[in-house]
Amino acid sequence: EAGVTQSPTHLIKTRGQQATLRCSPISGHTSVYWYQQALGLGLQFLLWYDEGEERNRGNFPPRFSGRQFPNYSSELNVNALELEDSALYLCASSLGTYMNTGELFFGEGSRLTVL
Amino acid sequence: RKEVEQDPGPFNVPEGATVAFNCTYSNSASQSFFWYRQDCRKEPKLLMSVYSSGNEDGRFTAQLNRASQYISLLIRDSKLSDSATYLCVVKQGTALIFGKGTTLSVSS
Repeated sequence: EAGVTQSPTHLIKTRGQQATLRCSPISGHTSVYWYQQALGLGLQFLLWYDEGEERNRGNFPPRFSGRQFPNYSSELNVNALELEDSALYLCASSLGTYMNTGELFFGEGSRLTVL
Repeated sequence: RKEVEQDPGPFNVPEGATVAFNCTYSNSASQSFFWYRQDCRKEPKLLMSVYSSGNEDGRFTAQLNRASQYISLLIRDSKLSDSATYLCVVKQGTALIFGKGTTLSVSS
């Protein structure tokens, strides 16, 4: 069974540009989560989508946005890129919500570099 | 105070050693607790849940002290393959809060 897949693997942008990252969850998983892992900062929660709706967002500015499609895949958009947006962006999925098991299945991430 | 704090390490131990990682959390309303493992340049994966009574999975033992808001992970008989970063994770409401992780390096 295929795991969580993310694309692109690497992305290089310049300040002010926009980046779009994509995620396909494990088949049958309806919830998708986005995390940012910047150097030295650990995983920071960005967004949670379930059944096409945004359920929760972390403490990030509005230029971080996303959506979930009817097939449960998801897209993360980062507008007006800043240097500090350089990080590994990890997508995770779970069956329903992870409320009880705490288990998220992560993709290998998309590394965004902002120059 | 950070929501989830861990000693970043690195912990450098020989094969066969016993090593313990600690984690503290700031929100007393936190509901569930987990340890994740992240290998170098790989994605995090759930290692084990942490229960109030303590729980064991092979060489790994996790403990929780709600009164002190403290979580621990003990690894016995360390293997080279245990080298990784161990992430302490706390569930608060609808979010999983990750610590920055503790790096373990096991050498032969």
